[in-house]
Amino acid sequence: KAGVTQTPRYLIKTRGQQVTLSCSPISGHRSVSWYQQTPGQGLQFLFEYFSETQRNKGNFPGRFSGRQFSNSRSEMNVSTLELGDSALYLCASSYTTGGEGTQYFGPGTRLLVL
Amino acid sequence: SQQGEEDPQALSIQEGENATMNCSYKTSINNLQWYRQNSGRGLVHLILIRSNEREKHSGRLRVTLDTSKKSSSLLITASRAADTASYFCATDTGRRALTFGSGTRLQVQP
Repeated sequence: KAGVTQTPRYLIKTRGQQVTLSCSPISGHRSVSWYQQTPGQGLQFLFEYFSETQRNKGNFPGRFSGRQFSNSRSEMNVSTLELGDSALYLCASSYTTGGEGTQYFGPGTRLLVL
Repeated sequence: SQQGEEDPQALSIQEGENATMNCSYKTSINNLQWYRQNSGRGLVHLILIRSNEREKHSGRLRVTLDTSKKSSSLLITASRAADTASYFCATDTGRRALTFGSGTRLQVQP
């Protein structure tokens, strides 16, 4: 099976702009979780979608949002970008809802906000 | 805040030696998982141990779990240069999300 894919891999934006990141899960997986990784805060959970429904949300401001389509592909959007949003954004897919089983991670999207 | 804290933060060993890293967590868990990350890339799942298990093996990996002490350890035997990476423990507390520790950076010298 093909692994989890994320696009784009690298992105440079300026403060105030918005950005949309995409994640295609492994075929058959219905759960997609998003994580933000920074040197200072480590890996932090953003949200999880399962069968097009947001199941859980981490402690992030409303500028961070996401959605999942009927084919399980997911997008996350960050509006009004801030310098602190510079990070590696990872998505992970799993067959069951996040946490209960193995999560398979994509290579990540590295976002730089100038 | 991080649920899991890894110890040590960094570890440097020679090829062929064993590497042990520890993870402590704060609340009760359903399972604990270990992941590896190479140079800021995606994470690779290594092993999952459920709360009712005490030890698990996978190839050169051995994981133990002590729920009374809220701690786990990952042992990599006969390490190789290719094992150089960051290792993270992650806990499932039933909140439908994994909570990751701060990671241990392992450097294996050839």
